[in-house]
Amino acid sequence: GQNIDQPTEMTATEGAIVQINCTYQTSGFNGLFWYQQHAGEAPTFLSYNVLDGLEEKGRFSSFLSRSKGYSYLLLKELQMKDSASYLCAVRDEGGDYKLSFGAGTTVTVRA
Amino acid sequence: DVKVTQSSRYLVKRTGEKVFLECVQDMDHENMFWYRQDPGLGLRLIYFSYDVKMKEKGDIPEGYSVSREKKERFSLILESASTNQTSMYLCASSFRGQGFNQPQHFGDGTRLSIL
Repeated sequence: GQNIDQPTEMTATEGAIVQINCTYQTSGFNGLFWYQQHAGEAPTFLSYNVLDGLEEKGRFSSFLSRSKGYSYLLLKELQMKDSASYLCAVRDEGGDYKLSFGAGTTVTVRA
Repeated sequence: DVKVTQSSRYLVKRTGEKVFLECVQDMDHENMFWYRQDPGLGLRLIYFSYDVKMKEKGDIPEGYSVSREKKERFSLILESASTNQTSMYLCASSFRGQGFNQPQHFGDGTRLSIL
């Protein structure tokens, strides 16, 4: 089974940086996804990590350490539109395509 | 862009009714998934399907069934709705066979209330 933990809520100021941590304990590992979900909308894909290290995509970066069972999503130069829930999801090493999701972190950006 | 369309945004039904939630995707994805999303619990997988007429149980299949008669359509069925099935239901789809980095694409969700 999977156990995926992330903080429930975070608040930051416009223009600042926020780091959302995700720890996981899984029976296997075959990649970690980050999704963004605005209130009342569909989750949308942000990033995928399967190897250790940092993946950068514009203002958003995602880091993975497989040995520590740890990932973070880094949001830089925060904008009001970044206020959303951020979901961490892990794929186990089975042959299927299922994901196990954390409960999500609600980020509020204040002016 | 991938489009995953769920038939209703909001639905109100009564206890004991049989409820159908429909999902259609337009990207020829092999995999389709049904989740429910509840505060503090995140997304939990109900059922998924890798191909037409195939289905697999997820983590919380009790009280639900699914149907996949066509590749683009995946239906979730609540056989006899109960109040504890009040939730947000999300459908997703993804490619199969192109590597595990293929993300799932989600619909906007159906907020279902059982009275």
